[in-house]
Amino acid sequence: QKEVEQNSGPLSVPEGAIASLNCTYSDRGSQSFFWYRQYSGKSPELIMFIYSNGDKEDGRFTAQLNKASQYVSLLIRDSQPSDSATYLCAVFVGYSTLTFGKGTMLLVSP
Amino acid sequence: SQTIHQWPATLVQPVGSPLSLECTVEGTSNPNLYWYRQAAGRGLQLLFYSVGIGQISSEVPQNLSASRPQDRQFILSSKKLLLSDSGFYLCAWRGRGTGELFFGEGSRLTVL
Repeated sequence: QKEVEQNSGPLSVPEGAIASLNCTYSDRGSQSFFWYRQYSGKSPELIMFIYSNGDKEDGRFTAQLNKASQYVSLLIRDSQPSDSATYLCAVFVGYSTLTFGKGTMLLVSP
Repeated sequence: SQTIHQWPATLVQPVGSPLSLECTVEGTSNPNLYWYRQAAGRGLQLLFYSVGIGQISSEVPQNLSASRPQDRQFILSSKKLLLSDSGFYLCAWRGRGTGELFFGEGSRLTVL
């Protein structure tokens, strides 16, 4: 059973702070990792993906991957109220499909 | 650029009625196509995926079915809806050689 675990939250941070979102996965064969943002009532949109151990930065977002610990995280610097959403972690194994976590709700207060 | 469309966006159906949700992709050929469902307070559940015309893999046995009559068209159907079929249905595509999925706008189904 391939599992992706996330804290459901909500994670509350003040505007301008760093938000840290975490995700663990069970399948050591997992090859690539994705973070999606989903606003209430909307479909998920891709924020970042990461394939290799270490950090990957894109603007205010940094994805971190540690395959030995089976752990992937997303940091959001200078959080804005518009970042308030549910963040979904997804893991790709093999050729077929992405397995999603249930998501972490982030609330950024002005 | 690639785009994906789903319709209808919202529908309310009585228990026991049929269902047909349609999804089309533009700007790419031979995509992998997926149907996910997101129930209230729950994660994304993979229902079906297709790697080509007429090729359907089912992840969750239930009263839903899927078909892919054309390369860029994916249809989700049911002959008789259950209350538990309510949810947000998402179609997605994945290009060859990449891992990320791109989602359509979603179809919100309420079964009464």
